[in-house]
Amino acid sequence: DGGITQSPKYLFRKEGQNVTLSCEQNLNHDAMYWYRQDPGQGLRLIYYSQIVNDFQKGDIAEGYSVSREKKESFPLTVTSAQKNPTAFYLCASSTPAAYEQYFGPGTRLTVT
Amino acid sequence: SQQGEEDPQALSIQEGENATMNCSYKTSINNLQWYRQNSGRGLVHLILIRSNEREKHSGRLRVTLDTSKKSSSLLITASRAADTASYFCATDRFTSGTYKYIFGTGTRLKVLA
Repeated sequence: DGGITQSPKYLFRKEGQNVTLSCEQNLNHDAMYWYRQDPGQGLRLIYYSQIVNDFQKGDIAEGYSVSREKKESFPLTVTSAQKNPTAFYLCASSTPAAYEQYFGPGTRLTVT
Repeated sequence: SQQGEEDPQALSIQEGENATMNCSYKTSINNLQWYRQNSGRGLVHLILIRSNEREKHSGRLRVTLDTSKKSSSLLITASRAADTASYFCATDRFTSGTYKYIFGTGTRLKVLA
């Protein structure tokens, strides 16, 4: 089956620890995106990548980092510098024309 | 920044009724999309309407776009309990040679059986 996978579904971390969220796609899409969603809110763009080895900051990149070493993979690291990391994180991909985005199931991160 | 704002924030209707939700945006667009999100899940693309289109249909979905008012509406006809979800509009923004999408805050729809 083609699609996007995110793991794990739930993640718990202590404050001060870095944590990496996985996102893998087998849709052969060039573009990949990371969004953050807070309760009752819309999605806010963290980082996006149009091509391997290249990525751009979104609207709320502070405290996050990404890498794009392979077309299929776009991991997101939530660093200890992120002041309020508890949220639902969604990964998406699209073709270069960037019309329809395909979303993964999300990772719910809780930092205590 | 939130480009799209959905209205109402929440909507509760009986099964079989129609549901209408609206989206307003601030800057000019090339296209507008609607997505559905079931609780705790990822978003699913529903429909895309281009700026030169005024209306589009897909099954029980009808989307309208009024670029002069910078607004769009999503109508779900003959609603079912399975339509219970949050619905988001997304507008495109072309910057630095790439397209990004700005999502609204969503409308939470509850369809009562």
